[in-house]
Amino acid sequence: SQQGEEDPQALSIQEGENATMNCSYKTSINNLQWYRQNSGRGLVHLILIRSNEREKHSGRLRVTLDTSKKSSSLLITASRAADTASYFCATPSGSARQLTFGSGTQLTVLP
Amino acid sequence: GAGVSQSPRYKVAKRGQDVALRCDPISGHVSLFWYQQALGQGPEFLTYFQNEAQLDKSGLPSDRFFAERPEGSVSTLKIQRTQQEDSAVYLCASTKSTGNRDYEQYFGPGTRLTVT
Repeated sequence: SQQGEEDPQALSIQEGENATMNCSYKTSINNLQWYRQNSGRGLVHLILIRSNEREKHSGRLRVTLDTSKKSSSLLITASRAADTASYFCATPSGSARQLTFGSGTQLTVLP
Repeated sequence: GAGVSQSPRYKVAKRGQDVALRCDPISGHVSLFWYQQALGQGPEFLTYFQNEAQLDKSGLPSDRFFAERPEGSVSTLKIQRTQQEDSAVYLCASTKSTGNRDYEQYFGPGTRLTVT
């Protein structure tokens, strides 16, 4: 079963604009991870934020985490056509620390 | 260095056939996961190996699904008597984590299985 929902399901913006995606989860977590998936490809890890962190930056990416609301957001600044992909949040759980993914946001950046 | 590789990339099987999907993890990664991704959905966990030991197979949807990693490196996911609902992308991931700390998982490109 999916851990939670991502919002919006689909997002279309112009190159240069910022893109914000939100993720909600259901259970308590140690960390939350964001992954990108280009069409027909595997997932690529973008960023990991720990439960004691509120905000983290990596290049054009900014992730926030609100454990009281069980939500996270991913901001991509100055988007490029190459950012077109599906974005998933994921949380590790279980003894195996397997990832439980959200349903994803399909981002389209128009040139 | 080399990432996670999977083969075949695409597989078409007739209903009732058996299939075998291969995963080569990153060298030295102890942990290996298999996930199933239906169209338009996020991946869902199938099974987990730590070295050659299959420690969690709670996500396998039926006893037609079987996975092994006999020497603690390459893993094979086998599906017997394939059904149409088995059509999905099967993703393999590896990580250096052994469960006491979370690290990113490195994913292969996946095998797209279509059962006709």
